[in-house]
Amino acid sequence: DAGVIQSPRHEVTEMGQEVTLRCKPISGHNSLFWYRQTMMRGLELLIYFNNNVPIDDSGMPEDRFSAKMPNASFSTLKIQPSEPRDSAVYFCASSSTGGDNEQFFGPGTRLTVL
Amino acid sequence: AQSVTQLGSHVSVSEGALVLLRCNYSSSVPPYLFWYVQYPNQGLQLLLKYTTGATLVKGINGFEAEFKKSETSFHLTKPSAHMSDAAEYFCAVSGKGSSASKIIFGSGTRLSIRP
Repeated sequence: DAGVIQSPRHEVTEMGQEVTLRCKPISGHNSLFWYRQTMMRGLELLIYFNNNVPIDDSGMPEDRFSAKMPNASFSTLKIQPSEPRDSAVYFCASSSTGGDNEQFFGPGTRLTVL
Repeated sequence: AQSVTQLGSHVSVSEGALVLLRCNYSSSVPPYLFWYVQYPNQGLQLLLKYTTGATLVKGINGFEAEFKKSETSFHLTKPSAHMSDAAEYFCAVSGKGSSASKIIFGSGTRLSIRP
């Protein structure tokens, strides 16, 4: 199994630009999570999906952030427009509902907004 | 509702010494408990987990943790630290049963190993 796949691994962009982060969960997993990690705020849950449906987006910082899961094997996190304070490492994780809720993390996308 | 408290944001031990990372949790339902490790520039990976049964759980790389319901604790230990153990460690809790799939993570403890 390839594990959770995230792309790109690194993204450098300028303030005001649109950024799209991508995630492919482990096959058969039906829950998907987006996290943000910074030195100041630590690990934050942004949003999670069960069976492609958003369940809790209370962690999404503001309207500039949006996430979609069009099917069971793909999700995107979009920031539009991006700001320097969005610079962070963004992780995607997946799990299988009904089990012990163990989450499997991807390698992360390091985003730098200049 | 669940919550996790990790005592000590930074712990430093000598190589070969005992490692003890403290975690206390709060849960309104029987918990699933986890320890994750994050090496520099990597994602989080599972170190060990408690779901049911034996309260002493063994994980990878010689780590173990004991679920103590009376103390609401799930401390992580390793008898002898190795330089390669330097990383950030996260304790986490989830609710058993229901449709809850979210995990609540602690704020993390950075472990440093002195030669």
